[in-house]
Amino acid sequence: AQSVTQLGSHVSVSEGALVLLRCNYSSSVPPYLFWYVQYPNQGLQLLLKYTSAATLVKGINGFEAEFKKSETSFHLTKPSAHMSDAAEYFCAVSDGRSGGYNKLIFGAGTRLAVHP
Amino acid sequence: DGGITQSPKYLFRKEGQNVTLSCEQNLNHDAMYWYRQDPGQGLRLIYYSQIVNDFQKGDIAEGYSVSREKKESFPLTVTSAQKNPTAFYLCASSIAQGGQPQHFGDGTRLSIL
Repeated sequence: AQSVTQLGSHVSVSEGALVLLRCNYSSSVPPYLFWYVQYPNQGLQLLLKYTSAATLVKGINGFEAEFKKSETSFHLTKPSAHMSDAAEYFCAVSDGRSGGYNKLIFGAGTRLAVHP
Repeated sequence: DGGITQSPKYLFRKEGQNVTLSCEQNLNHDAMYWYRQDPGQGLRLIYYSQIVNDFQKGDIAEGYSVSREKKESFPLTVTSAQKNPTAFYLCASSIAQGGQPQHFGDGTRLSIL
């Protein structure tokens, strides 16, 4: 069975500092991996996705993630945090074999706080 | 612009009452999903539908019901059998093919009076 673990339910950084949000997955087949961002009282917005084309994936708002098969990780990074990055971030995995149904397994989420 | 519209934004339920949450999409997606979100628990799948007139139970379907009479619409009914309905409900849609991202509406927050 697939699963996703996000290490750290809360992460706090200073404005301008590096953002690192951790995601580890388990999957018996090559996975499809996604990062989503959620602002308060809103839905989830896709930041980026990994679909095996390249191990370093660039997304919106300056975020990127690197797929490391040996570590079963897909950590999200941003070189310099901005106040507007404060939100909750979700990592998700799909096995891509859904036969018409695209099931995503979500991590529990990491709340990012950015302070001046 | 294409997207997913959920209504209402806020909903209140009395004890013993059924309530229906609306979800409409104009993305021409075949697959649609309902999730429940509670603090610290991520998203849990309630129901999903791959095609019109077909839907399947997710991980926490008890106390909920859905219909899929039109491709664009996937309403969720929270029945009186759902004893702890207070949560944030999210509707999503996607291309009906594995490995595709899901697109989300802005959610409905349900509370008990």
